[in-house]
Amino acid sequence: GNSVTQMEGPVTLSEEAFLTINCTYTATGYPSLFWYVQYPGEGLQLLLKATKADDKGSNKGFEATYRKETTSFHLEKGSVQVSDSAVYFCALSGPDPSQGGSEKLVFGKGTKLTVNP
Amino acid sequence: DGGITQSPKYLFRKEGQNVTLSCEQNLNHDAMYWYRQDPGQGLRLIYYSQIVNDFQKGDIAEGYSVSREKKESFPLTVTSAQKNPTAFYLCASSIGVLLYNEQFFGPGTRLTVL
Repeated sequence: GNSVTQMEGPVTLSEEAFLTINCTYTATGYPSLFWYVQYPGEGLQLLLKATKADDKGSNKGFEATYRKETTSFHLEKGSVQVSDSAVYFCALSGPDPSQGGSEKLVFGKGTKLTVNP
Repeated sequence: DGGITQSPKYLFRKEGQNVTLSCEQNLNHDAMYWYRQDPGQGLRLIYYSQIVNDFQKGDIAEGYSVSREKKESFPLTVTSAQKNPTAFYLCASSIGVLLYNEQFFGPGTRLTVL
C-alpha cells in the first residue's frame, strides 16, 4: 500500500541555518503530496502542497518539489528561525489498491525540529 | 471564523469507562476524519465519513465508534474495549474525499486513562 518515509529526528539547528527534511514515498499513480506542521500542543496545519510532478510548493520560506523520478518531496528552508521549532509531517493522498482503491491521507512519522537562538 | 473545534482539550477517564470526544466544524465540509497520534508513530486513521449517516473504518477502528447524524458533527466514542486508549486524538475535515483535498485539523483532545 501507499506509504511515506521521512527522516527521523530530532533535528537541532541554530538560528539562520539551512534546513532539509527528507521525505520519500511509495504509491501507485500520481498522488498529491503535503507537508504539515504541528506546533506544541496543537493540531496540524498545512504548510505546503504539490499536486503533480515537478510542482514546487512554498509557504513561509519553506519549499518542497515533487520529484516523481526519485519519489521524493524534501522540505527545505534557507534560514530557520526559533519560531520554526515544531514537528513536521510529510503526507500523501492517492488511491491505494491495497485498500480497495480508496483515497486516504497517509502520514510519515514526523520529524521534530528544534531551532536554538 | 470558520474552523474545527474539539472538546475538551484534556480528558481523563477511569479504566472500563466509555468516553465521547466532540468534533464540530463550520466549514461546510462533507468529509470528516478521526486520527490517533502516539509519540513517534505519526497519525493513524480511526474512522472517516464522506457524508452524513455514512462512515468507514480506518486502520485502527477496533475499540472505537462514531456517528455522523449532522454534517457539522462527528463525535468519537472510545469504548472500554480499546486496550490502550491514552493518546492525542485529532479530528479533521475536508471538502470531500478526493485526491488533493486539503484536510483541516482541530486542536486535538488529549485523553488519559487513569
